Amino acid sequence: GAVVSQHPSRVICKSGTSVKIECRSLDFQATTMFWYRQFPKQSLMLMATSNEGSKATYEQGVEKDKFLINHASLTLSTLTVTSAHPEDSSFYICSASKGRDYGYTFGSGTRLTVV
Amino acid sequence: AQSVTQLDSHVSVSEGTPVLLRCNYSSSYSPSLFWYVQHPNKGLQLLLKYTSAATLVKGINGFEAEFKKSETSFHLTKPSAHMSDAAEYFCVVSDDFNKFYFGSGTKLNVKP
Repeated sequence: GAVVSQHPSRVICKSGTSVKIECRSLDFQATTMFWYRQFPKQSLMLMATSNEGSKATYEQGVEKDKFLINHASLTLSTLTVTSAHPEDSSFYICSASKGRDYGYTFGSGTRLTVV
Repeated sequence: AQSVTQLDSHVSVSEGTPVLLRCNYSSSYSPSLFWYVQHPNKGLQLLLKYTSAATLVKGINGFEAEFKKSETSFHLTKPSAHMSDAAEYFCVVSDDFNKFYFGSGTKLNVKP
């Protein structure tokens, strides 16, 4: 199959600190990964497209200096929430594909709570 | 532009009765359409997808969906609901297999 692992599943951090979330494709190589955010009782919104070896492409309204995305290898993309604030508390989820004909697999998500 | 409208935010059915979750889409191109399910505090699981092959798509757990271009609809159905089907369901459109656009979600409640 196509398995995507996301870590951590839950994290609580203090306001002003940074948090890193990892997204790994376990059994395939993913040149492109996507990061989504889901606020409580809302749908998922695409934040950015992560491309291996190049800069991420951010959706309108997403602060690239706040949400740092690194895609250093074909199996790993990271999202770092810098200087986190309570309003950044959300469910973050990544997705990856092993090719155009295979569809996308989502990670299990990370619930971030900033206190 | 691509968008998805899920017509019902909540649907409640009795166990053993049919399920209908409605979805309408808007797309500039021939769309790829998906239904995902999200159980509480869990990630997303793909139920089924339409990618311009057969208009009636069968998915996992007895779910199926029919692509109707004339109605721009992609409704999700299941003949007989099970308690384990209680979850939130998202209809998703993707135009170029890169970006997904999610509907607002439909919470399905299954009563015993």
